[in-house]
Amino acid sequence: GAGVSQTPSNKVTEKGKYVELRCDPISGHTALYWYRQSLGQGPEFLIYFQGTGAADDSGLPNDRFFAVRPEGSVSTLKIQRTERGDSAVYLCASSSTDVNEQFFGPGTRLTVL
Amino acid sequence: AQSVTQPDIHITVSEGASLELRCNYSYGATPYLFWYVQSPGQGLQLLLKYFSGDTLVQGIKGFEAEFKRSQSSFNLRKPSVHWSDAAEYFCAVGNPRGGGKLIFGQGTTLQVKP
Repeated sequence: GAGVSQTPSNKVTEKGKYVELRCDPISGHTALYWYRQSLGQGPEFLIYFQGTGAADDSGLPNDRFFAVRPEGSVSTLKIQRTERGDSAVYLCASSSTDVNEQFFGPGTRLTVL
Repeated sequence: AQSVTQPDIHITVSEGASLELRCNYSYGATPYLFWYVQSPGQGLQLLLKYFSGDTLVQGIKGFEAEFKRSQSSFNLRKPSVHWSDAAEYFCAVGNPRGGGKLIFGQGTTLQVKP
């Protein structure tokens, strides 16, 4: 399996709960991105990692959102005190450099009840 | 502000007809330009990209796009549409100086009539 994988594929949670979404990038890709796609919209940038460090987190909507990539491979997006407005598909992408084609995973559909 | 506009939310074409999907962008300099396709339940797949050089770029599945600097446009075309082309199409721009993030348009949903 050479593609970007994301788990879980679907996540249903209750308002106020904490969730973690995982992304496994393509092996060897140093750049990793998180996007959020609401219904009927294009993906919106959240955060970008180059290696282990967050090179740009300007898209995170507020401090309830946090992401890590401790070993420069797998990344986890963490959302605290979820709100109904957080419901969306969360997409992960990776690339071999920060200017090359980004390869997208299938996404995690998050539903906050 | 940097932005991408796809003026057509929904387009319906007959199978075998030609297709053009419009994309306009607002950016400080000439950005990197991309078209992605998203089928139901599938991830985004890159159709083609423009970084520099020839303004007419060829992509996968018989798609092409033309960059027009004077119009800040990057329209996607296909001479003959197949039923399997029904999907959502996204235009995106990226920073040519690096920094990776893509800015996407709202998307155009393509429906293909038999």
